Amino acid sequence: EIVLTQSPGTLSLSPGDRATLSCRASHIVSSTHLAWYQQRVGQAPRLLIYGASRRATGIPDRFSGSGSGTDFTLTISRLEPEDFAVYYCQQYGNSPSWAFGQGTKVEIK
Amino acid sequence: QVQLVQSGPEVKKPGASVRVSCKASGYTFTNFGIAWVRQAPGQGLEWMGWISAHNGDTNYARRFQGRVSMTTDSSTNTAYLELTSLQSDDTAVYYCARRGGYCISGVCYRYFDNWGRGTLVTVSS
Repeated sequence: EIVLTQSPGTLSLSPGDRATLSCRASHIVSSTHLAWYQQRVGQAPRLLIYGASRRATGIPDRFSGSGSGTDFTLTISRLEPEDFAVYYCQQYGNSPSWAFGQGTKVEIK
Repeated sequence: QVQLVQSGPEVKKPGASVRVSCKASGYTFTNFGIAWVRQAPGQGLEWMGWISAHNGDTNYARRFQGRVSMTTDSSTNTAYLELTSLQSDDTAVYYCARRGGYCISGVCYRYFDNWGRGTLVTVSS
């Protein structure tokens, strides 16, 4: 069973800042099987990135994903007010099955 | 557009069972699977299981095996989650999500591309 560990737990930044979020897997993950989600307060999660680096439909290009193997990164180039939220990475495995990281909260500094 | 409409909040006593529904519209129901994800208060997302709306195949997360059941009804485009032997730590928002994805040049992408708004299940004596 693959465990995903996200860091940091909380990121305190200002609008306009760059945000870099990390997701580390306990075993090698195929990059095609790594996704990122955003969850705003009181809302359902929203798909941002799949295949480690492919933006989902309608996602602004300030969001980008990268990485391979066990280390993956979500970058938000310039934070907008609506980007302050919790972000989760997710891995798709065999059977099929899925697992989430514990989340990174991006909060206003 | 794709919509997943979930049933309303539930309050249950310990030991009881709950059934949550998820009615899909805006796409061909049997072409996509449905996953269930829960979120305890103030906590992260936890995948519970998945069901193919095409043939009913399921895969449940190990920790729920034995007390979870996922079904679909293609006549009403509805997916169901049933969880038995509820305890207080089952108090959570339960989400259904469409398992989208595609394959290209032998590479397949799988992700949850549309989500319901969630159903709050409260377990309390």
